[in-house]
Amino acid sequence: GAVVSQHPSRVICKSGTSVKIECRSLDFQATTMFWYRQFPKQSLMLMATSNEGSKATYEQGVEKDKFLINHASLTLSTLTVTSAHPEDSSFYICSARRGQGSNQPQHFGDGTRLSIL
Amino acid sequence: AQSVAQPEDQVNVAEGNPLTVKCTYSVSGNPYLFWYVQYPNRGLQFLLKYITGDNLVKGSYGFEAEFNKSQTSFHLKKPSALVSDSALYFCAVRALNSGNTPLVFGKGTRLSVIA
Repeated sequence: GAVVSQHPSRVICKSGTSVKIECRSLDFQATTMFWYRQFPKQSLMLMATSNEGSKATYEQGVEKDKFLINHASLTLSTLTVTSAHPEDSSFYICSARRGQGSNQPQHFGDGTRLSIL
Repeated sequence: AQSVAQPEDQVNVAEGNPLTVKCTYSVSGNPYLFWYVQYPNRGLQFLLKYITGDNLVKGSYGFEAEFNKSQTSFHLKKPSALVSDSALYFCAVRALNSGNTPLVFGKGTRLSVIA
């Protein structure tokens, strides 16, 4: 159990394009979802935390107008990189957790490799 | 504030030998500790966790970790390494009952098992 599906796994697109990444919890209800960004040979950097039905909480230095997060249901959160530029190229990973404020573990998707030309 | 330190960027071990990947943490209150593994171009896979109870936690693929409260450590271990264990390993922590806070990750340790 506790499977998180992230789609697409890889995106290559031109500069200026907006890209949407989906994160779904397949067999549990994810009250809380997290979006991370990982640079080569580095750890995960938390971008934002989202709770179903409310606005995402962004970490310091993350542009909320650049990285739009929607958590419209208990099984789906989306990250849209708006007007993407080459510096946005990275590996993006979502994570989901049952229950808000609980001690449940975080489960991770397989990540999306975003390459902006 | 919560933090995790993984002091080694890289650990090399011969196949069949025991391996240890080090992790120390800092957290207010009781810790909730994890180890995850990441293979190239993949997300993180859960290996094991510690909440309470026995200090030696057994996880997936023959890995185990020992919680040491006095040393604030949670080192990952395996008695006999396999080449297929080569990957990037992350230690993570959050405080128990800390509301909606996410896990805080260490910088990762790359494990290379040599045949």
